[in-house]
Amino acid sequence: GESVGLHLPTLSVQEGDNSIINCAYSNSASDYFIWYKQESGKGPQFIIDIRSNMDKRQGQRVTVLLNKTVKHLSLQIAATQPGDSAVYFCAEPGGTSYGKLTFGQGTILTVHP
Amino acid sequence: EPEVTQTPSHQVTQMGQEVILRCVPISNHLYFYWYRQILGQKVEFLVSFYNNEISEKSEIFDDQFSVERPDGSNFTLKIRSTKLEDSAMYFCASSPDRVIYEQYFGPGTRLTVT
Repeated sequence: GESVGLHLPTLSVQEGDNSIINCAYSNSASDYFIWYKQESGKGPQFIIDIRSNMDKRQGQRVTVLLNKTVKHLSLQIAATQPGDSAVYFCAEPGGTSYGKLTFGQGTILTVHP
Repeated sequence: EPEVTQTPSHQVTQMGQEVILRCVPISNHLYFYWYRQILGQKVEFLVSFYNNEISEKSEIFDDQFSVERPDGSNFTLKIRSTKLEDSAMYFCASSPDRVIYEQYFGPGTRLTVT
């Protein structure tokens, strides 16, 4: 069956470092991926998305890379700040109405000042 | 910036009781969702709702669950007879007309069933 999962459950970095959060998926037909950030006590927040016809997409301090060959995507955060500390999920839309998001397990990012 | 709101932030109930979790989606959104997150686990889809009817539901969303949009602003999730395993964080989300992938989540309601 389809699944979206993460390699590493936790990641600790120093402020100013770059962070890389990884995600693996199993369905080779997947054509769209989304990264969400969940801060403590809050709901998931959309960060960035990427379609399968792209290898890379950049946002503000964030870059998502997609490697369809190995069914892997990553979220890179440049110059990580303490405010980036959160749980990061990759997610994939699906279902009959395409509104059903399937989330991965999540990676806890902790940024130390 | 408009946001999804949810009430209450924390609900404690006894097993077998009915609970209603309330959400106010972003006003011009047309698609509405409920998700849940058991402590330490990933966010799981429960149900999607559009045009006053359920679009899709997961296996979790059994006969004990129901959703309703009683007026033009609220969106509710009812659990008729709560079980211990219903204890979780419940998130409401909404999305604009066509960009249904970009879902905006509320802060969640923590449901504790004792």
